Amino acid sequence: DAKTTQPNSMESNEEEPVHLPCNHSTISGTDYIHWYRQLPSQGPEYVIHGLTSNVNNRMASLAIAEDRKSSTLILHRATLRDAAVYYCINQTGANNLFFGTGTRLTVIP
Amino acid sequence: SQTIHQWPATLVQPVGSPLSLECTVEGTSNPNLYWYRQAAGRGLQLLFYSVGIGQISSEVPQNLSASRPQDRQFILSSKKLLLSDSGFYLCAWKGIRVNEKLFFGSGTQLSVL
Repeated sequence: DAKTTQPNSMESNEEEPVHLPCNHSTISGTDYIHWYRQLPSQGPEYVIHGLTSNVNNRMASLAIAEDRKSSTLILHRATLRDAAVYYCINQTGANNLFFGTGTRLTVIP
Repeated sequence: SQTIHQWPATLVQPVGSPLSLECTVEGTSNPNLYWYRQAAGRGLQLLFYSVGIGQISSEVPQNLSASRPQDRQFILSSKKLLLSDSGFYLCAWKGIRVNEKLFFGSGTQLSVL
């Protein structure tokens, strides 16, 4: 399985940008980088994904390193509703999809 | 649009009792289906996945089993629950292409006492 490494926890002040890092040094050329987040007592929800180029959507931006061994999820203005556990995973051609322990983001009012 | 249904939302079961959790998907065909478990304060552990009817792959040997009797139905079972089976169980589906998103159900909180 393609493993990812994330910090256990991060804090951000409300209304400030947040950069959540992820290392995926064993990523293969055709693996996609997906980010999900999990609010308390809920199932995870999709945030964003990419392959090589940086991506933007209404929720966040994804910056992918040129060598693809790391990526950063960017929340441009953190709100209290963004407090969650954020998971970065490599989606490979294999059907088993493994999640790590993710990064618990705390947003400080 | 596609939806995923998972029930029950909460379940309290005695040790040694059987378990059956059901998950159904609507609005798509031939999905990949997944069962994950999350212990309190921990990450998601992949238990089983299925790429088709009757096709089950197990990632963690344990006293749980899974079945896929129909294309959009995925069932997690146990003959005898253990205390360590307590946790938050999540069903998920995705399309067959690599870059497709995973969609999760709302989960079942299982407490084994």
